[in-house]
Amino acid sequence: EVQVVESGGGLVQPGGSLRLSCVASGFIFSRYWMGWVRQAPGKGLEWVANIKHDGSEKYYVDSVKGRFTISRDNAKNAVFLQMNSLRDEDLGLYYCARVYDGAYYYMDVWGRGTTVTVSS
Amino acid sequence: AIQMTQSPSSLSASVGDRVTITCRASQDIKSDLGWYQQRPGKAPKLLIYATSTLQSGVPSRFSGSGSGTDFTLTINSLQPEDFATYYCLHDHEYPLTFGGGTKVEI
Repeated sequence: EVQVVESGGGLVQPGGSLRLSCVASGFIFSRYWMGWVRQAPGKGLEWVANIKHDGSEKYYVDSVKGRFTISRDNAKNAVFLQMNSLRDEDLGLYYCARVYDGAYYYMDVWGRGTTVTVSS
Repeated sequence: AIQMTQSPSSLSASVGDRVTITCRASQDIKSDLGWYQQRPGKAPKLLIYATSTLQSGVPSRFSGSGSGTDFTLTINSLQPEDFATYYCLHDHEYPLTFGGGTKVEI
């Protein structure tokens, strides 16, 4: 079964750090871009970051640049999101998604998400 | 960054209705747009990519159209399982941006 499973969410104080993980299975991980999308409670979806299949290209939404780092380990079929200097507005459900970025672009496999709570 | 304005933000419809949701980009994005469905408490699901290409397994009552700055998602003969929130997402350039969402309610 093709799937991605997120983990690593939790409660963190403002200014703190958290590392999210996403493990993929059922497909050749090293052939796909991967991405993170978040959703604040009761709000819409916000794209956060993407990473190319070999890790050579990374892209971020402006609000997390310099604070978040996306990375991957193709040997472990895993993608990570290191989140530093967390702010109140970073709280929410973080989804990992498989990204097809070829002739077309789409995010076709999504995990159930992992929850990040930022609170003192 | 390209802004995506989605309308309406919510709508009420009945089973069997035809529903139309629009998304407007702040600049020309060619055909670089997808549509996603999110049911309550669930992860988003890809419906359509490249403006009008139906993802495998998605019912044919869903269709997409448009180009440039104006795009439409149409659901023909609304079914009970279609009551959800729908989002557009442009992939023309980074940063990617979603529309604000359209909640389709009974």
